[in-house]
Amino acid sequence: SQKIEQNSEALNIQEGKTATLTCNYTNYSPAYLQWYRQDPGRGPVFLLLIRENEKEKRKERLKVTFDTTLKQSLFHITASQPADSATYLCALDEGYGGSQGNLIFGKGTKLSVKP
Amino acid sequence: DAGITQSPRYKITETGRQVTLMCHQTWSHSYMFWYRQDLGHGLRLIYYSAAADITDKGEVPDGYVVSRSKTENFPLTLESATRSQTSVYFCASRSPRGLNTEAFFGQGTRLTVV
Repeated sequence: SQKIEQNSEALNIQEGKTATLTCNYTNYSPAYLQWYRQDPGRGPVFLLLIRENEKEKRKERLKVTFDTTLKQSLFHITASQPADSATYLCALDEGYGGSQGNLIFGKGTKLSVKP
Repeated sequence: DAGITQSPRYKITETGRQVTLMCHQTWSHSYMFWYRQDLGHGLRLIYYSAAADITDKGEVPDGYVVSRSKTENFPLTLESATRSQTSVYFCASRSPRGLNTEAFFGQGTRLTVV
């Protein structure tokens, strides 16, 4: 069956360090992958999308990589700040077959940045 | 205001009652979704809709009913609520597939079934 796994449920780092979150998938061949941020009591908010032909994508302090051979995406936050503390979710389209436009989410990694 | 809104934000109901959660979006996105989020499970798809009058089951549809008579509304009904349906429910919308688009989520409805 298709699976998305985010290896760590929680990640604690010191302010100023780089946070690296991992997303692995099996039995998919996604054309692109998305990352979302979710704060407590709120819905997920889109951050970045990376296509299969893009090795890396950046947005301000965020960087995403996409390795279709390893079936893995890495999400980096450089110079992390306490305001970056949140849960981060990766998401893939379920498929090009019967399901139309469904995003399947990993369980998320809760990032805590300590001052 | 433009966006996607859910109502109510919080709901407590009794086992066996029928409950309807509302979702409204102002972008005319063709795709709409209902997810539930539980500790240890993450976001799981309940139902989705590709357009008005077109709906289909997701991963966990049992006990839920949806309708989509208008593009902007996608209500979710729990026909006879059970304690296992206590959860946080998120509605989302997305413009047509194939454009590599992101999903926009509502603020969620926290439902407690007692």
